[in-house]
Amino acid sequence: AQTVTQSQPEMSVQEAETVTLSCTYDTSESDYYLFWYKQPPSRQMILVIRQEAYKQQNATENRFSVNFQKAAKSFSLKISDSQLGDAAMYFCAYRSSNYGGSQGNLIFGKGTKLSVKP
Amino acid sequence: DAGITQSPRHKVTETGTPVTLRCHQTENHRYMYWYRQDPGHGLRLIHYSYGVKDTDKGEVSDGYSVSRSKTEDFLLTLESATSSQTSVYFCAMRGQQYGYTFGSGTRLTVV
Repeated sequence: AQTVTQSQPEMSVQEAETVTLSCTYDTSESDYYLFWYKQPPSRQMILVIRQEAYKQQNATENRFSVNFQKAAKSFSLKISDSQLGDAAMYFCAYRSSNYGGSQGNLIFGKGTKLSVKP
Repeated sequence: DAGITQSPRHKVTETGTPVTLRCHQTENHRYMYWYRQDPGHGLRLIHYSYGVKDTDKGEVSDGYSVSRSKTEDFLLTLESATSSQTSVYFCAMRGQQYGYTFGSGTRLTVV
């Protein structure tokens, strides 16, 4: 079974600085998808960025980028120019490329709580 | 506007009482999911559905049942609520390719 590990329960960053959140995963599959979700105090789950395993190029969405190391099974999230609104819980998630049955389910890490200091 | 709603948003119930949480979608998506979120555990899958009357268990299904009589509605039932089921519950639907949309969550407190 696949697992997702986020080793940093809490992180802190100064406003305008850069922070990197770590995520590792375990799978025997060669094709899959990886996601980072943001959960602010409102509880809403917001997709930040996603990466297809078959793509070598790291995904980027504005101030958010990932460092995807397939061989190392690592998927870290870098937030540049941190803003107060970035303060939230961040979840890393894995999904198989197969659609059928339980293989299409998202598997989440335990989350990293990010604080942003003004 | 997200196409998926959960009700209620908050609920307090007593131990031993039955509780049903509702998830409603307007996107006609086949796959729907129920997760629970607890501190230190992230989101864990309770049950999922891959069509009308087609459901299956997830990682933490004990004490929960689900039903899906229509594409748009996915119900989660706690037959006899226990304090260990105090949690935040999320419903989600899977759209095209790998897109998932989550409801806004239900905070359930069992006293």
